[in-house]
Amino acid sequence: QVQLVESGGGVVQPGGSLRLSCAASGFAFSNYGMHWVRQAPDKGLEWVAYIHNDGSDKHYVDSVKGRCTISRDNSKNTLYLQMNSLRVDDTAIYYCAKVVPGGHDIEWWGQGTLVTVSS
Amino acid sequence: DIHLTQSPSFLSASVGDRVTITCRASQGINNFLAWYQQRPGKAPKLLIYAAFTLQSGVPSRFSGSGSGAEFTLTINSLQPEDSATYYCQQLSIYPLTFGGGTKVEI
Repeated sequence: QVQLVESGGGVVQPGGSLRLSCAASGFAFSNYGMHWVRQAPDKGLEWVAYIHNDGSDKHYVDSVKGRCTISRDNSKNTLYLQMNSLRVDDTAIYYCAKVVPGGHDIEWWGQGTLVTVSS
Repeated sequence: DIHLTQSPSFLSASVGDRVTITCRASQGINNFLAWYQQRPGKAPKLLIYAAFTLQSGVPSRFSGSGSGAEFTLTINSLQPEDSATYYCQQLSIYPLTFGGGTKVEI
């Protein structure tokens, strides 16, 4: 059974930093690309970042470029999102997500971790 | 960036109805489109990928169609558990983008 468990969310002041983690189990983590997707309170979904299975390729939404870094440790079956210079509009639930075999569509989602940026 | 426009943004229907949700892309995306269902307080769930491929375990009353820049999610014989918000997502070009969502009320 695929499991994705996010952690690392919390309350942070504007300009602060957080590192989100996503512990994966139930599948061969090193074989799959992974995404981060966020959802602001009572808003729609926004794709944030993608990393290829071996970390060789990464993509970001423009609003986080230069502030966030997606990475992974395949030896620990863990995905990360380092978030710096946080802004109020980064407030959201952050989901990690696994792709379908051979594609980029999101097959499995974690339950999310809430990031609140507030002074 | 590719913009996705979903319509309608809200619909109210009855059990047993057939409902259709449309997703229009600002440019052609071939068949690189997915549909997700999100129930309140829950993570999204994949329904359809590659425009019309039903994800394993998803009831057959859900179907996807379309190509190029216009796509449709159809729910046949609507059930009470289908009350949710539905999102399309394009996976043709980065940055990936989602539609604004369609809330289905039963």
